[in-house]
Amino acid sequence: EVQLVQSGAEVKKPGESLKISCKASGYSFTNSWIGWVRQMPGKGLEWVAIVYPGDSDTSYSPSFQGQVTISADTSISTAYLQWSSLKASDSAMYYCATARTHYAGGRYIPISFDDWGQGTLVTVSS
Amino acid sequence: QSALTQPASVSGSPGQSVTISCTGTSSDVGDYNLVSWYQQHPGKAPKLMIYDVSKRPSGVSNRFSGSKSGNTASLSISGLQPEDEAEYYCSSYTTSNTFHVVFGGGTKLTVL
Repeated sequence: EVQLVQSGAEVKKPGESLKISCKASGYSFTNSWIGWVRQMPGKGLEWVAIVYPGDSDTSYSPSFQGQVTISADTSISTAYLQWSSLKASDSAMYYCATARTHYAGGRYIPISFDDWGQGTLVTVSS
Repeated sequence: QSALTQPASVSGSPGQSVTISCTGTSSDVGDYNLVSWYQQHPGKAPKLMIYDVSKRPSGVSNRFSGSKSGNTASLSISGLQPEDEAEYYCSSYTTSNTFHVVFGGGTKLTVL
């Protein structure tokens, strides 16, 4: 059974850095794409980024390119999403999820998110 | 404004069938069989219900089915049950502007 367990809720101030995590189990972490999906309060879903832990290949949504960094540590089967300087507009629920991908335009695109973590609520407020 | 258009709400009585539409363009839904559907109960993580237009992941009830006609994909739910009440989101691969995936704005299904 695939399990994705995310780190707990965070409250940060604008300008601070943050790294949230997602520990995976029950499948081959190294050989599967995993990514992050944002859901702002009362809003819909947005793809953020995906990573292939086996070779650290990454792909970012155009909306989030340069705003966040995705990474993975195969030694502990954990994926991460980090910000170097948070903004109030980063406040949202962030879900990690395994992803099926389609290769186009020189990069991989997540065409479905299959198994999901429980979510990490990020609140950025002064 | 979402790239894919879904009705804000649909409703049905227990045992009935409902269909949720997801309208895109020839750059996404119309040209690619890469549409997925997700179910999200309040305060819970989304759950994948349909992928590649009409395929069901293991464990998803066969009361849920997906289809596509032209630029519109549809999620049909038969034999409505109270636990089907949730928000439903579609998504599609798109080549509009860049290679990407876009979501619909979500449809609230109410089981009367």
